[in-house]
Amino acid sequence: GAGVSQSPSNKVTEKGKDVELRCDPISGHTALYWYRQSLGQGLEFLIYFQGNSAPDKSGLPSDRFSAERTGGSVSTLTIQRTQQEDSAVYLCASSQSRGNTEAFFGQGTRLTVV
Amino acid sequence: GEDVEQSLFLSVREGDSSVINCTYTDSSSTYLYWYKQEPGAGLQLLTYIFSNMDMKQDQRLTVLLNKKDKHLSLRIADTQTGDSAIYFCAETAGRRALTFGSGTRLQVQP
Repeated sequence: GAGVSQSPSNKVTEKGKDVELRCDPISGHTALYWYRQSLGQGLEFLIYFQGNSAPDKSGLPSDRFSAERTGGSVSTLTIQRTQQEDSAVYLCASSQSRGNTEAFFGQGTRLTVV
Repeated sequence: GEDVEQSLFLSVREGDSSVINCTYTDSSSTYLYWYKQEPGAGLQLLTYIFSNMDMKQDQRLTVLLNKKDKHLSLRIADTQTGDSAIYFCAETAGRRALTFGSGTRLQVQP
């Protein structure tokens, strides 16, 4: 596609439910990033995929969070047993390669846990 | 670990220059970026600079890098109301994901 696509754009879920957020990166981009932006806050790094290398999961806040990237393309971020503090905008970005000068961001998924 | 700091808010009058400052801690940072986020929108890359440069100009935007002090600035000349947004500084050493600052909210008054 022309840009990074994320779905859904908005998600409201009940506390304790699991959610899946999807990211479709730009075709050919080998690097994929997930960030979280809480209201009025900066971007918190969650996880980074680069090609076939093991992902950098150092930013995942708890074991309720996991992500996978199938076939080096689409990525899914899963949050199990959601909590109210998980409410945020989840942003995905992709770039052509490690250290590439430009990471392109999707519009984000706004997650609200009620 | 890596850390990036920015002031939270800047207010300028239309037509003035805006200067947004950023400091970072990782001396191995190779790429430094400025992103813009308008209300309800995603992040848009404005400009970037390699660590072996000390200045980059792109139309109304000027990026200055003081590598010794680990200080990055973004100057917007002739600031317009459409420049009102949150500006994020980010860095990477190329082997890891971008580390972002908390963002500077620029308010442009008519």
